[in-house]
Amino acid sequence: GENVEQHPSTLSVQEGDSAVIKCTYSDSASNYFPWYKQELGKGPQLIIDIRSNVGEKKDQRIAVTLNKTAKHFSLHITETQPEDSAVYFCAQGYQAGTALIFGKGTTLSVSS
Amino acid sequence: KAGVTQTPRYLIKTRGQQVTLSCSPISGHRSVSWYQQTPGQGLQFLFEYFSETQRNKGNFPGRFSGRQFSNSRSEMNVSTLELGDSALYLCASSLEINSPLHFGNGTRLTVT
Repeated sequence: GENVEQHPSTLSVQEGDSAVIKCTYSDSASNYFPWYKQELGKGPQLIIDIRSNVGEKKDQRIAVTLNKTAKHFSLHITETQPEDSAVYFCAQGYQAGTALIFGKGTTLSVSS
Repeated sequence: KAGVTQTPRYLIKTRGQQVTLSCSPISGHRSVSWYQQTPGQGLQFLFEYFSETQRNKGNFPGRFSGRQFSNSRSEMNVSTLELGDSALYLCASSLEINSPLHFGNGTRLTVT
């Protein structure tokens, strides 16, 4: 069935370093790839998303790249800060807003 | 603008009982989705509603049901609770079909 594999499961970086999380998916018909950040006691928060007709998208310190041929997409966080510490989830779907399939999450720890 | 509101935040029920969870979407959002989050299975899609109609359904037993009202508010019901139903239940809303999902902080259900 459809699934999303997310790596690594944990990631520790020093403040100011970059962090990269990668996801691979199996369904070539997927068109929508969001990333969510979940802090303790809160629901997932959308931080960036990309659709299949775009290869890269940036928003300040966050960027997402998509390789549809290889069926993988990655989250890049530059100049990490302690407040970036959280669990990050990738997801994929045929369209936004419905039946998203989530990866298992990456726990990012940024130490100062 | 207020975010997605879920009530109650915490709930403790006994095996065999039923439970109803409530969700108020972001003002103006017309689509509501429900997800279950557990440590073992991660985030899993339950169902999605748009204009009071169920558009999509995940792979959950019939004990899980939901509905959406004319004001876009939604409820989900779980009957004959099992220990394995203990989870964080997340509601998410989106402006329209094919719009990004925005999650609430969830209802933590514990079944004893």
